[in-house]
Amino acid sequence: EVQLVESGGGLVQPGGSLRLSCAASGFTFSSYSINWVRQAPGKGLEWVSYISSSSSTIDYADSVKGRFTISRDNGKNSLYLQMNSLRAEDTAVYYCTFGRGHWGQGTLVTVSS
Amino acid sequence: DIQMTQSPSSLSASVGDRVTISCQASQDISNYLNWYQQKPGKPPKLLIYDASNLETGVPSRFSGSGSGTDFTFTISSLQPEDIATYYCQQYDNLFTFGPGTKVDIK
Repeated sequence: EVQLVESGGGLVQPGGSLRLSCAASGFTFSSYSINWVRQAPGKGLEWVSYISSSSSTIDYADSVKGRFTISRDNGKNSLYLQMNSLRAEDTAVYYCTFGRGHWGQGTLVTVSS
Repeated sequence: DIQMTQSPSSLSASVGDRVTISCQASQDISNYLNWYQQKPGKPPKLLIYDASNLETGVPSRFSGSGSGTDFTFTISSLQPEDIATYYCQQYDNLFTFGPGTKVDIK
């Protein structure tokens, strides 16, 4: 069974940093590109970042470019999102998602003083 | 960047009604469009992929059509469990989501 489990969310002050993880199982992780998508409270879905299967292609939404860094470790079946210079508007549930409709349950990031 | 619009932003319909949601892309995306259903506190659930293909296990009252820039999502007979927000998503170039349509029972 395909599983994606996000972790690393929490409360952080504006300007702070956080590292999210997404642990994958039940499929050949190294064969798939994967994305981070976020959803602010009561708002819609926003694509955040993309990484190809070999990490050769990476892209970011303009709203996080220069502050967030996506990476993956195919040996550990894990995806990461390093988030720096966090702002209140980064408050959201962060999901990892790949392929045809596979999503994790999400991890909540709250940026507040 | 590809922009996605959806209409209406919300609707209220009776059980058994036919419900239609429209989605428009800012440029040709062929059929690279998904439709998702999301209920509060849950991740999105894929209903339709490649614009018109029903995901395995999804009831046949859900359907999708369209290609290029204009797409339609239909619930042929609205059920109480269909109360949710529905999103279109393009995957022709990275991802972009529509703003969502909130569906309620009248």
